[in-house]
Formats: sequence, C-alpha cells, structure tokens
Amino acid sequence: GAGVSQSPSNKVTEKGKDVELRCDPISGHTALYWYRQSLGQGLEFLIYFQGNSAPDKSGLPSDRFSAERTGGSVSTLTIQRTQQEDSAVYLCASTYSGQGYEQYFGPGTRLTVT
Amino acid sequence: AQSVTQLDSQVPVFEEAPVELRCNYSSSVSVYLFWYVQYPNQGLQLLLKYLSGSTLVKGINGFEAEFNKSQTSFHLRKPSVHISDTAEYFCAVIKNAGGTSYGKLTFGQGTILTVHP
Repeated sequence: GAGVSQSPSNKVTEKGKDVELRCDPISGHTALYWYRQSLGQGLEFLIYFQGNSAPDKSGLPSDRFSAERTGGSVSTLTIQRTQQEDSAVYLCASTYSGQGYEQYFGPGTRLTVT
Repeated sequence: AQSVTQLDSQVPVFEEAPVELRCNYSSSVSVYLFWYVQYPNQGLQLLLKYLSGSTLVKGINGFEAEFNKSQTSFHLRKPSVHISDTAEYFCAVIKNAGGTSYGKLTFGQGTILTVHP
C-alpha cells in the first residue's frame, strides 16, 4: 500500500518568510510524528499527534513552529519567520496501535532558508 | 529523559567482512530499542527492534542486535556485509509507557557505514 508522503520534497525560502510542510500518513494510522534532521543537531523530535488527544509539542524549538492535524489524517507543519538555522530535512512518521512502536517514515522535505 | 550514544560516527569495511555498530543508551525508565537505516535521500526504515523477550533480535537484510541491560547497550551486527548496506544507521529508544504503542523516538547521532569492494 501507499506509504507516508510528504510535500514538497524540496523548499527554498528567503529568511523571514513563512513555510508550510505537508504530511500524508498511511491510511488508518492514528499517530503522526514530526522530526527534524540537521547536520548540527542530528534527528530531533518536534511534535506528535495521537488520535483525539492533545498533541505532544515538547520538541518544538520555538513559538515560530506550529503544527495541525486535520480530520485525524493530514498534518501541516508551519514555520513562521524562517531563520537560517531552520534549514534541515523535516521528516514525518506515522504508526497505529498494535504496530509494536514501529514508525513508518516519509521521504522528508528538505528546507533551505537563504 | 533518555539519551543515545552511537560510539562511531563512521565505519568503513570491506565487502563480505563482518561489522558491528555500537550503541549505548541512558534512561531512568525502561525503554524499547530500535535500529533504523537511512539510504541516501530517503526516509528511515526500521531494521529491527527490541521490546521484550530474547535479547538477541534478528531484523531485515541479515542484521541482528543484542540487548544488554547491564551494559545498557544495543549493538548492531552483520556477519558479512554487501555494497548495498552502505547507508547511515541510527539507534533509537522509546520510553516504555506501558499499555500503548506510541512514543517519541530519541535518536543517536548516526553511524555512516561505508562498504568498499
């Protein structure tokens, strides 16, 4: 079946602009995660959604970062007033109960802030 | 909080040689352990996981790992590597919250495995 998809695959933006990154999880997966992969910081957790529970936002690095998950499916990660240190690959993953904690990852969105 | 340390940032080996990628973790609570692989320009793929039971776990592509609670380690091994195993490997943990299958992964810094002909 279809895996986790993310769009766009690449995004170049100017410092100070807002960007939106999209994630389509695997159908039926109730949990959705965002991670960031950068040269300096490695792989970091950002935020996760599980069903109708309040999201765990503990990994968001600043209030410029926010995320939504509409209808328990698609998620959008928004970065406002982008900075050069936001340049990274943003990875989305999903999973469901009974999957034994296995998270399925999308290919990522490479964000470059110039 | 949990932390994961991968002891080697890069491991070069020749084809058909054995390889071990080392991982140590620190946690004040029980954790589950994972190894993920990332091929160039791709997302992460699960190689294997330890949740409970036998401490020797087998995964895809001939990889295996052994959980050692006393040494807080989860080293990844393969007896004979192929060129196609060239990739970056990440060790990760999830806090054992009991009764759920969800949790945020805490990753190590990654080990780049390069297999030479």
